[in-house]
Amino acid sequence: DTAVSQTPKYLVTQMGNDKSIKCEQNLGHDTMYWYKQDSKKFLKIMFSYNNKELIINETVPNRFSPKSPDKAHLNLHINSLELGDSAVYFCASSARGADTQYFGPGTRLTVL
Amino acid sequence: AQSVTQLDSHVSVSEGTPVLLRCNYSSSYSPSLFWYVQHPNKGLQLLLKYTSAATLVKGINGFEAEFKKSETSFHLTKPSAHMSDAAEYFCVVSYPGYSTLTFGKGTMLLVSP
Repeated sequence: DTAVSQTPKYLVTQMGNDKSIKCEQNLGHDTMYWYKQDSKKFLKIMFSYNNKELIINETVPNRFSPKSPDKAHLNLHINSLELGDSAVYFCASSARGADTQYFGPGTRLTVL
Repeated sequence: AQSVTQLDSHVSVSEGTPVLLRCNYSSSYSPSLFWYVQHPNKGLQLLLKYTSAATLVKGINGFEAEFKKSETSFHLTKPSAHMSDAAEYFCVVSYPGYSTLTFGKGTMLLVSP
């Protein structure tokens, strides 16, 4: 029944590694997003995909690469992880033309 | 540019007393406004949404918010706080033509017995 799901929930890794976070939504939505929540709880948009096409990329380093194999999935790949990448990453989705977004439970990434 | 300001980083109330969480937004266009709640180590849950149909919006768990255009405010209220209301609350704005949400910095609501 989970509407927006993310895996893993926790991710601990070393600097320089490459990691991926997966997101899936079963709401039939066309648009999916990735947000980053920093240590002060501030949330900021990173990417937005509409029906598998990138529509927003908010000045995120090239080390971050979203991939959408189909409109129900939006995965986030991060190369050469840095200490500053430690954060909680949230996936979200919305219906076409709608501004209400539904969020996943978040993935807490810790880079050591 | 769209923006939203949450006036208090922390609000402390006693159980059973009213809750007021304050939010102001920038007013270039007619916005959609939201309140989301984040319980500790949990995801974000939509509490309520304003889209110009009615200025007083009722949400889940007894929360409501009033849109006041003259004050560019969208404050969140609840008549009687419950211990389970303790969480981080985010005021969020979205403008026509923009597909992203802009979040306020959050207000931590602390509820004491």
